[in-house]
Amino acid sequence: GAVVSQHPSRVICKSGTSVKIECRSLDFQATTMFWYRQFPKQSLMLMATSNEGSKATYEQGVEKDKFLINHASLTLSTLTVTSAHPEDSSFYICSALGRTPRDIQYFGAGTRLSVL
Amino acid sequence: GQNIDQPTEMTATEGAIVQINCTYQTSGFNGLFWYQQHAGEAPTFLSYNVLDGLEEKGRFSSFLSRSKGYSYLLLKELQMKDSASYLCAVIDSNYQLIWGAGTKLIIKP
Repeated sequence: GAVVSQHPSRVICKSGTSVKIECRSLDFQATTMFWYRQFPKQSLMLMATSNEGSKATYEQGVEKDKFLINHASLTLSTLTVTSAHPEDSSFYICSALGRTPRDIQYFGAGTRLSVL
Repeated sequence: GQNIDQPTEMTATEGAIVQINCTYQTSGFNGLFWYQQHAGEAPTFLSYNVLDGLEEKGRFSSFLSRSKGYSYLLLKELQMKDSASYLCAVIDSNYQLIWGAGTKLIIKP
């Protein structure tokens, strides 16, 4: 079946540094990728939707200058958390929607970000 | 507003059957998904319903009634590994995915 690869699975960084998370669709072309954030014991919160070759659409309350999203190809989207702070510590999950049957969203394994 | 309701938590016994309900009020409907999420992991796809009726896939079945805005996920022959959160999500008329808060299922021996 379709597979989405997300890397890294875990990152620990110092406050003020930037962190890049990659999301790749491995066996299908992802016309749309989604980035979610999830706090412990809470449901997924959509951060942004990115379509290949165009600017990402951010949800209300999500800072576009802080969470930079690039979807340069049909198989790769990146999320960069700029100048990370401890409150940015969370579980970030990407998903990809492509030309697969039923337009199912397939999720990456997630990235656990810890900002010290 | 758009709303998806599912129970916060359910408990069941190993080997038994459990039904997790989901009701939704959304602007339009283009399909309903069920995902399983183990603690600390990303969700994994379980089922997709767009037409009324029951879809069976092994131990898991999913039912949809569009007129009632209602779905359920049925898990049979429960195993300890089925302990997880189960997320209901609906695609609305704008093809946005609206997520429920999830149902935490606890399986007891």
